[in-house]
Amino acid sequence: DTGVSQDPRHKITKRGQNVTFRCDPISEHNRLYWYRQTLGQGPEFLTYFQNEAQLEKSRLLSDRFSAERPKGSFSTLEIQRTEQGDSAMYLCASSLDGSKNEQFFGPGTRLTVL
Amino acid sequence: KQEVTQIPAALSVPEGENLVLNCSFTDSAIYNLQWFRQDPGKGLTSLLLIQSSQREQTSGRLNASLDKSSGRSTLYIAASQPGDSATYLCAVRVSNTGKLIFGQGTTLQVKP
Repeated sequence: DTGVSQDPRHKITKRGQNVTFRCDPISEHNRLYWYRQTLGQGPEFLTYFQNEAQLEKSRLLSDRFSAERPKGSFSTLEIQRTEQGDSAMYLCASSLDGSKNEQFFGPGTRLTVL
Repeated sequence: KQEVTQIPAALSVPEGENLVLNCSFTDSAIYNLQWFRQDPGKGLTSLLLIQSSQREQTSGRLNASLDKSSGRSTLYIAASQPGDSATYLCAVRVSNTGKLIFGQGTTLQVKP
């Protein structure tokens, strides 16, 4: 395991459909983060897991969004009833507990909502 | 509310030039600051992390400095190469959970 992986890399969907993304963190990392990045902007924090517990959620995460990390390993991010405004790059990052908490990012999932 | 600003938004330099990218943040109560590189359509690659108690970090041709009291960080790139062309993002860690607040990035083009 050499890094954070995300699947799929690209997703095109029609407005109103549900989509689910997967993130596999670096194997020994207990912290996992989701961010969203729109064109020309820096990433914005969505949510944070420590092991299987979701400990922080941004106000950006509306009730159409849900994230899970059932066994403290991989995580999924689901968007229900997608809207065109959901089109963005969804980035996952992982890190180890500790003073540094250096975050390592995956390649992202590019979502396009038509 | 913490805000992170990066200036300039874009920069074009000839190959071989030394350059400085700037990052400023409004609240000095940070845990650390990370610099990332992002290639078009790709994820982020961590370049350097500076703890709040540190003044600078170096990795190869890169040197990052941190002045927490003034809310500033710089990323110095020596002897720039065309392969350095990318968007550079700075981010500050603002909580024990590790949440990062990002700037909008500086897009660098190094011309051969």
